[in-house]
Amino acid sequence: AQTVTQSQPEMSVQEAETVTLSCTYDTSESDYYLFWYKQPPSRQMILVIRQEAYKQQNATENRFSVNFQKAAKSFSLKISDSQLGDAAMYFCAYRSANNAGNMLTFGGGTRLMVKP
Amino acid sequence: DAGITQSPRHKVTETGTPVTLRCHQTENHRYMYWYRQDPGHGLRLIHYSYGVKDTDKGEVSDGYSVSRSKTEDFLLTLESATSSQTSVYFCAIRKDMLSSQHFGDGTRLSIL
Repeated sequence: AQTVTQSQPEMSVQEAETVTLSCTYDTSESDYYLFWYKQPPSRQMILVIRQEAYKQQNATENRFSVNFQKAAKSFSLKISDSQLGDAAMYFCAYRSANNAGNMLTFGGGTRLMVKP
Repeated sequence: DAGITQSPRHKVTETGTPVTLRCHQTENHRYMYWYRQDPGHGLRLIHYSYGVKDTDKGEVSDGYSVSRSKTEDFLLTLESATSSQTSVYFCAIRKDMLSSQHFGDGTRLSIL
């Protein structure tokens, strides 16, 4: 079974600075997808960014980018120019490309605080 | 907005009572999922559905049942609620094999 580990329960960053959230995963598969979801206090689960394992290029979405290291099974999220609205829980998630149900396996989450 | 509505948004009930949570979608997505969220565990899959009357178990399915009699509705039932089932429950949908999952706003369930 796949596992996803987020080793940082809490992180803080100064507004306008850059912060990196860590995620590692364990799998024996070669074809899969990785995701970062944001959960603000409103409780919504918002997709931030997605990475296909077969792609060597790291995904980027505006101020959000990932560092995908397939051999190391590492998938970190970098937030540049942090804003107060970035304060939230962030969850890393894994999805097999071969499983019929394609369900997500989540890490335990990292709470990001942004200081003004 | 992925067109997902969860009801109720909040519920408080007593141990031993039956509880049904509803997930309704407006976009005819094939795949629907129920997750529970607990501190330190992220979200964990309870059950999922890949079509009308087609369902399968997830990681934490004990004590839960599901039904999907129509494409748009996916029901999660706790036959006899226990305090360990106090949690926030999320429904999610996915259009096809390549799509990402989109989540509803969650239901906070408290069992006293």
